[in-house]
Amino acid sequence: AAGVIQSPRHLIKEKRETATLKCYPIPRHDTVYWYQQGPGQDPQFLISFYEKMQSDKGSIPDRFSAQQFSDYHSELNMSSLELGDSALYFCASSLVSGNEQYFGPGTRLTVT
Amino acid sequence: SQQGEEDPQALSIQEGENATMNCSYKTSINNLQWYRQNSGRGLVHLILIRSNEREKHSGRLRVTLDTSKKSSSLLITASRAADTASYFCATVRISSGSARQLTFGSGTQLTVLP
Repeated sequence: AAGVIQSPRHLIKEKRETATLKCYPIPRHDTVYWYQQGPGQDPQFLISFYEKMQSDKGSIPDRFSAQQFSDYHSELNMSSLELGDSALYFCASSLVSGNEQYFGPGTRLTVT
Repeated sequence: SQQGEEDPQALSIQEGENATMNCSYKTSINNLQWYRQNSGRGLVHLILIRSNEREKHSGRLRVTLDTSKKSSSLLITASRAADTASYFCATVRISSGSARQLTFGSGTQLTVLP
């Protein structure tokens, strides 16, 4: 069965650079979530989209933005990167009517 | 953690033993879910228990929920070395939007020794 795809899997950037993370949800899933997991931390909700519209916002810095496109894939754009942005970034998808979220393998971002 | 604490933070047991992990949360919930994460990998959904349920089973997993105490426990019976992972509880509220964001607890690192 198709799973959530994230790209790239690993990304190394320098401070003040910009990064774009991509997420391809499971086909026919209408909701996408982004989570950030710092080293040794629990995942923190960043933002979610339902049917290409932003539906909820969590602890997402103003330097970050995200959108969901017509093909339902989503991108998380991160600007003016800071060392503290180094983390695993997970995308998850679900049906809005469902409760289970299916997580992608994550993108490991390292900011140097 | 925004959610609360998981107890214990780390647990080491022998293969064949049972492992019990506890989770507390702070808000009213729609449901509570348990996820598993192998080191540096994605999260895998294990089991979901709704706020009107008290106990649920799935294979070697048993989950309980006490909404009056805002706590849940996950029991893994007859543990195997392959169960070694971090286990997170996550709660879902119905938010003002249509999505159902997960709020995670701080996780328990389970090590099952062969």
